[in-house]
Amino acid sequence: GENVGLHLPTLSVQEGDNSIINCAYSNSASDYFIWYKQESGKGPQFIIDIRSNMDKRQGQRVTVLLNKTVKHLSLQIAATQPGDSAVYFCAENLGNTGNQFYFGTGTSLTVIP
Amino acid sequence: DARVTQTPRHKVTEMGQEVTMRCQPILGHNTVFWYRQTMMQGLELLAYFRNRAPLDDSGMPKDRFSAEMPDATLATLKIQPSEPRDSAVYFCASGLRVWAPGGHTIYFGEGSWLTVV
Repeated sequence: GENVGLHLPTLSVQEGDNSIINCAYSNSASDYFIWYKQESGKGPQFIIDIRSNMDKRQGQRVTVLLNKTVKHLSLQIAATQPGDSAVYFCAENLGNTGNQFYFGTGTSLTVIP
Repeated sequence: DARVTQTPRHKVTEMGQEVTMRCQPILGHNTVFWYRQTMMQGLELLAYFRNRAPLDDSGMPKDRFSAEMPDATLATLKIQPSEPRDSAVYFCASGLRVWAPGGHTIYFGEGSWLTVV
């Protein structure tokens, strides 16, 4: 039978444009969030994290925004480059009481040269 | 660069055979996780350890899977007997849990790509 698999949201952007990847998390008690990038054939790679006492955090070319009211997380990538093409996952964690990280299904980003 | 090391990187085995995957966490990290990634389920947590003690293995099929940490530098995930549905990428991740509010970052290895035929 056909292997349906997970339906990954996809995003295609032109090289040089900004990318915004969104993530809805499930647990209102989660207080720590991480964005990971996974390139084909590799393990997830840490990009940036944010704690629930913050709304925004910036890194090199990346910004994470957290909206706890609607349980929404976004990753913004400035001046997207071909090397940014990958699957991006958000992960949530119950920092003080839990050790488990729960991962979203991921978004596949394709950068068009 | 400190990194999580996994072996083997690729494994093809016949149904019914035992498979052992090994992980060397980043030196000094006290939590170790095993995840499985498939197209159908995405990333699933199988088990995790803190200070070598298993804290949760509820995501792991108990009848055939077992996870251990013989010492602080080695974590193992064993499947016996293996089945075709076990075909997946198995990731090990490690982190440093400190006793403070807020979580801690975990870092992944490159995965063990298992195919059971």
